[in-house]
Amino acid sequence: DGGITQSPKYLFRKEGQNVTLSCEQNLNHDAMYWYRQDPGQGLRLIYYSQIVNDFQKGDIAEGYSVSREKKESFPLTVTSAQKNPTAFYLCASTATGLSEAFFGQGTRLTVV
Amino acid sequence: GQQLNQSPQSMFIQEGEDVSMNCTSSSIFNTWLWYKQDPGEGPVLLIALYKAGELTSNGRLTAQFGITRKDSFLNISASIPSDVGIYFCAGYTGTASKLTFGTGTRLQVTL
Repeated sequence: DGGITQSPKYLFRKEGQNVTLSCEQNLNHDAMYWYRQDPGQGLRLIYYSQIVNDFQKGDIAEGYSVSREKKESFPLTVTSAQKNPTAFYLCASTATGLSEAFFGQGTRLTVV
Repeated sequence: GQQLNQSPQSMFIQEGEDVSMNCTSSSIFNTWLWYKQDPGEGPVLLIALYKAGELTSNGRLTAQFGITRKDSFLNISASIPSDVGIYFCAGYTGTASKLTFGTGTRLQVTL
């Protein structure tokens, strides 16, 4: 079955450490996105990529980095520069020119 | 970044009741989408609307694309316990290839 897989589901990080969240899709979608969701809040765009080897900052990119070396993969690194990283992170993808985004199941990151 | 205004922010209803929620924007969109998010999961697409005035149904769900292209509405008829969750609207302009999401409506259904 086609879909988006995020791993891990739960992640704990010590303050000052970088951590990488995985996102893989087999939908053959060109565009991929990372969103952050805080409790009781909507979705805020961190980074997005419309094509391999290219990506753009979203609304809250500070303290995060991404790469897009393969069409299927769009990992997100939460760096130590991100002051408040505890949140629910969602990865999504869309086909080129289409609006319908498909989401992964999310990764809940907690800083301990 | 812009977020769309959704109302109400939360709703507590009894099983069997109908539900209405809406989403408004200061900008025009070419596509409106409605998603549902279960606790601890990613959002799932419910309905997509592509034309001003369009009315589309998906089972007990009905959504409308506002004539002004600045708003959209979602109705749920005869609610059931599994309708519990957060409902998000999203607008798409066709440019910049990214969605703008609403702030969400949290729905609670009591027996």
